[in-house]
Amino acid sequence: AQSVSQHNHHVILSEAASLELGCNYSYGGTVNLFWYVQYPGQHLQLLLKYFSGDPLVKGIKGFEAEFIKSKFSFNLRKPSVQWSDTAEYFCAVNANYGQNFVFGPGTRLSVLP
Amino acid sequence: KAGVTQTPRYLIKTRGQQVTLSCSPISGHRSVSWYQQTPGQGLQFLFEYFSETQRNKGNFPGRFSGRQFSNSRSEMNVSTLELGDSALYLCASSRNAIQGVGETQYFGPGTRLLVL
Repeated sequence: AQSVSQHNHHVILSEAASLELGCNYSYGGTVNLFWYVQYPGQHLQLLLKYFSGDPLVKGIKGFEAEFIKSKFSFNLRKPSVQWSDTAEYFCAVNANYGQNFVFGPGTRLSVLP
Repeated sequence: KAGVTQTPRYLIKTRGQQVTLSCSPISGHRSVSWYQQTPGQGLQFLFEYFSETQRNKGNFPGRFSGRQFSNSRSEMNVSTLELGDSALYLCASSRNAIQGVGETQYFGPGTRLLVL
């Protein structure tokens, strides 16, 4: 069965710092990869997704993620975080044909003003 | 286009009762999945319905059940509620079954269930 791990449970950054949130999955086949964000009191929103093609994908609000197949990773990055990026971030994997969406445990990001 | 809607948004029940939650997917979406979100367990997949048929089921007891109607709306039922069922229940919709190539799930705001 596929699984998803996220490296950090809680990350605390100051505004303007760079962000990288790690995500690794365990599945050897073709995968679809997602990052979702859950702002306080709001519902899960899609940040970005990777299906195929360029392994560097850009999402909303200045976020990007890089798919490295050899490392089974899909890390999320943002060059300069803002206080409004405070939220919980979830990595999700969906293997093609026959698998469900599997979510990582989430990483809580706190950005200090 | 309207997003995924869930009703009710908040619910308080007592142990032993049953509860029914409702989800309306995005127009044109035929797949509805349900998740349970808790601080300790994160997001856990309950089941998925596509074209009125349950496609997949997660590792939850039979007290958790669901159904989907011909208009793609879905309901989830939990019988004989336990304290541990307190959680945020999320519904997500996608155009086709989530096992398909390139499907994306869009989430509703959730129903927060508190079992006393």
